[in-house]
Amino acid sequence: DIQMTQSPSSLSASVGDRVTITCRASQGINSYLAWYQQKPGKVPQLLIYAASALQSGVPSRFSGSRSGTEFTLTISSLQPEDVATYYCQKYNSDPRPFGQGTKVDIK
Amino acid sequence: EVQLVQSGAEVKKPGESLKISCKGSGYSFGTYWIAWVRQVPGKGLEWMGNIYPDDSDTRYSPSFQGQVTISADKSISTAFLQWTSLQASDTATYYCARQEGPLEFWGQGTLVTVSS
Repeated sequence: DIQMTQSPSSLSASVGDRVTITCRASQGINSYLAWYQQKPGKVPQLLIYAASALQSGVPSRFSGSRSGTEFTLTISSLQPEDVATYYCQKYNSDPRPFGQGTKVDIK
Repeated sequence: EVQLVQSGAEVKKPGESLKISCKGSGYSFGTYWIAWVRQVPGKGLEWMGNIYPDDSDTRYSPSFQGQVTISADKSISTAFLQWTSLQASDTATYYCARQEGPLEFWGQGTLVTVSS
């Protein structure tokens, strides 16, 4: 089965900083990759699908990209409301594992 | 409006059985896969498996195969997740989500606590 490896596991950045989170698939998954945001105590929410398509209502400071089997979630200017844990998930076929998560907080 | 409403929190003892539910509304329930996702307290998200309610085609993550049963009754627009013998390690929040490729719509989660 394909494994999803996410890094870093946590990061701390200042408001306004550019933040980058990486997710690597152990095999090719084309662009069948989604990113989710889970704020503390809340239900996960879809941010990005198809590696780079922004879900409706998601702020434009969030973006996604793909290079082969490496995927990146970027927050162009970190805001206080972005404090959350971020997960990637592959969905090209079953099973559909998530990455381990990246906890983002404000320095 | 698409909604997934899950059953309420449960407190069970080890060895007991349990069936939790996820009722969909606002869309054609039978024609979208429903996935179940586990989140152990303080840990990450784990995809458990999914079901296509129209024909009950069901797939499981290898980690959960044989540990749980996923089912659905499209006549009442409801998916289920069940255990025959709970263990303390099953303590977690369980989410259902509508799976159209990615997981776009999520239920509110059901907290299952297993403790003697």
